[in-house]
Amino acid sequence: SYVLTQPPSVSVAPGKTATLTCGGDNIGRKSVHWYQQKPGQAPVLVIYFDSDRPSGIPERFSGSNSGNTATLTISRVEAGDEADYYCQVWDSTSDHRVFGGGTKLTVL
Amino acid sequence: QVQLVESGGGLVKPGGSLRLSCEDSGVTFSDYYMSWIRQAPGKGLEWVSIISTSGSTRYYADSVRGRFTLSRDNAKNSLYLQMDSLRAEDTAVYYCARTKLVDDAFDIWGQGTVVTVAS
Repeated sequence: SYVLTQPPSVSVAPGKTATLTCGGDNIGRKSVHWYQQKPGQAPVLVIYFDSDRPSGIPERFSGSNSGNTATLTISRVEAGDEADYYCQVWDSTSDHRVFGGGTKLTVL
Repeated sequence: QVQLVESGGGLVKPGGSLRLSCEDSGVTFSDYYMSWIRQAPGKGLEWVSIISTSGSTRYYADSVRGRFTLSRDNAKNSLYLQMDSLRAEDTAVYYCARTKLVDDAFDIWGQGTVVTVAS
């Protein structure tokens, strides 16, 4: 089965840029989606199809995908961005949806 | 505003059964694939199952195949998850979510319903 690998934690100072990665075999050939989850809340979609932003998501959130790594970049990080972030893909060989293990973003 | 509302969670003994429901307040329920995703306490998201728009095709995670059954009633804008032979490791918050295309994102999620399997 397809595996997505995310670092467990990333820390960043306010106003700086956070780079969250999602690794997978030839993930650049798949569509990657990113979700933000704050404690006690349901996940919220922040990036879909690698780099598209849903309405209401700040332009500070951007995504890219190439080779074996997809990346979620959060510019000018704010305290309110502190959350868990999950990447997700569709595994066409099994028709299963796959989530990465998640990255906890801490704003220092 | 589209809203998904889950219900049916609760405390059940190992080996028991539970049926979760998810109701869509929108008017386009039948246009979307629907899925259940769960999150064990302190853990990450785990995809559980997905059903096609017509209900004719369903896929399950290996961890639940043969024990869980997913169904939908488009006339009632509702999704169901019949969970049998429950185990302690099925304890989690269960979210329903929708997706428009096969490889699309889950754009709308419910708030979740808690399932606890314990004796």
